[in-house]
Amino acid sequence: EVQLVESGGGLVQPGGSRRLSCAASGFTFSSFAMSWVRQAPGKGLEWVSIITGSGGRTYYADSLRGRFTISRDNSKSTLYLQMNSLRAEDTAKYYCAKVGVITSFASWGQGTMVTVSS
Amino acid sequence: EVVLTQSPGTLSLSPGERATLSCRASQSIITNSLVWYQQRPGQAPRLLIHGASSRATGIPDRFSGSGSGTDFTLTITRLEPEDFAVYYCQHYGSSPMYTFGQGTRLEIK
Repeated sequence: EVQLVESGGGLVQPGGSRRLSCAASGFTFSSFAMSWVRQAPGKGLEWVSIITGSGGRTYYADSLRGRFTISRDNSKSTLYLQMNSLRAEDTAKYYCAKVGVITSFASWGQGTMVTVSS
Repeated sequence: EVVLTQSPGTLSLSPGERATLSCRASQSIITNSLVWYQQRPGQAPRLLIHGASSRATGIPDRFSGSGSGTDFTLTITRLEPEDFAVYYCQHYGSSPMYTFGQGTRLEIK
């Protein structure tokens, strides 16, 4: 059974940084692209970033490029999201997701909440 | 960038009824790039349909997807209590770029 467990969320001051982690199990981690999707409180879903199975290619939502960095450690079956220069509008629950067929997110973690506030 | 518009915003129905949810794209899209998710309160989203009409593993056959071009539909026949949730459509575009609709809330009447 696929399991994705996010961690690293919490309260961050505006302008601060945070690194999120997603521990994966139940599948061959290195064989699958992985992604981050976020959801602001009471709002819809917003795609953040995706990384290929090898980690060789990364892509970002236009609005986030330059502040967020996605990475992975296949030896640890763990996905990361480094978030810098955080703003109030980055407040959201951040989900990691296993990419199924390339067009979709087949499995999701339960998310980790990031609150950007002074 | 493709914009997805879902309608209605809220749909009120009773268990046992049929639900029809719409997702309209701002331009014609490739059929296999359209996906549907369900999100129950307090839970993570769950993949329902990919490629506009292919059910994901373990999804009951009362869920079906259809459509092409700019107009796509998620149909749920014989609503069960656990089906009352928010539903999102999503498009995969080149770059890559993933965009979501704003969601349709399906509530018990």
